[in-house]
Amino acid sequence: DVKVTQSSRYLVKRTGEKVFLECVQDMDHENMFWYRQDPGLGLRLIYFSYDVKMKEKGDIPEGYSVSREKKERFSLILESASTNQTSMYLCASSLVDREGNTIYFGEGSWLTVV
Amino acid sequence: AQTVTQSQPEMSVQEAETVTLSCTYDTSENNYYLFWYKQPPSRQMILVIRQEAYKQQNATENRFSVNFQKAAKSFSLKISDSQLGDTAMYFCAFMKPIYQAGTALIFGKGTTLSVSS
Repeated sequence: DVKVTQSSRYLVKRTGEKVFLECVQDMDHENMFWYRQDPGLGLRLIYFSYDVKMKEKGDIPEGYSVSREKKERFSLILESASTNQTSMYLCASSLVDREGNTIYFGEGSWLTVV
Repeated sequence: AQTVTQSQPEMSVQEAETVTLSCTYDTSENNYYLFWYKQPPSRQMILVIRQEAYKQQNATENRFSVNFQKAAKSFSLKISDSQLGDTAMYFCAFMKPIYQAGTALIFGKGTTLSVSS
């Protein structure tokens, strides 16, 4: 089975701190994604990456950056955390596949910024 | 830009009954994929069913089936013989064909389904 692992499930950080959320997938997928989930807003795409060192902005990239130095790992970085970034963050991965391949999700990282 | 709309924030159903969750979308693409994902209290996103736009036949997966109306841009999910374990948030999602790297899912805001005994 495909496994997408988000190493930090629950974090509490202070305003202004630099925060790293790590995601690792074990199936050699080209695509990786970071979503943010908030009540009443559904899932919103922050950034995605389709190859090592490649990245594209999603719908809400402001206040975030990403890093993909290795194919299996995609990191989300909050350079200076703010309280409005308190949320659940979901990582996902998929193959580049003409069959419209399934996107697989991690279990989520709950971030509270105080 | 594509959008996905789920007009029912919450729904409830009794065990063994049938319930239908609505989803509409907007796109200028002719070929695309549609999905329903389930998110139980554990927060793990689970793929329920998917539909390729070029296929006229509605997808089915056991108790789950869809009513795909391409011209109306409608993609509803029917859950038959509802079970307590179906209690979850359900998300409708749209994806363009993966001809290019980086295609992402676009989600609706979700429908919270409660199944009671």
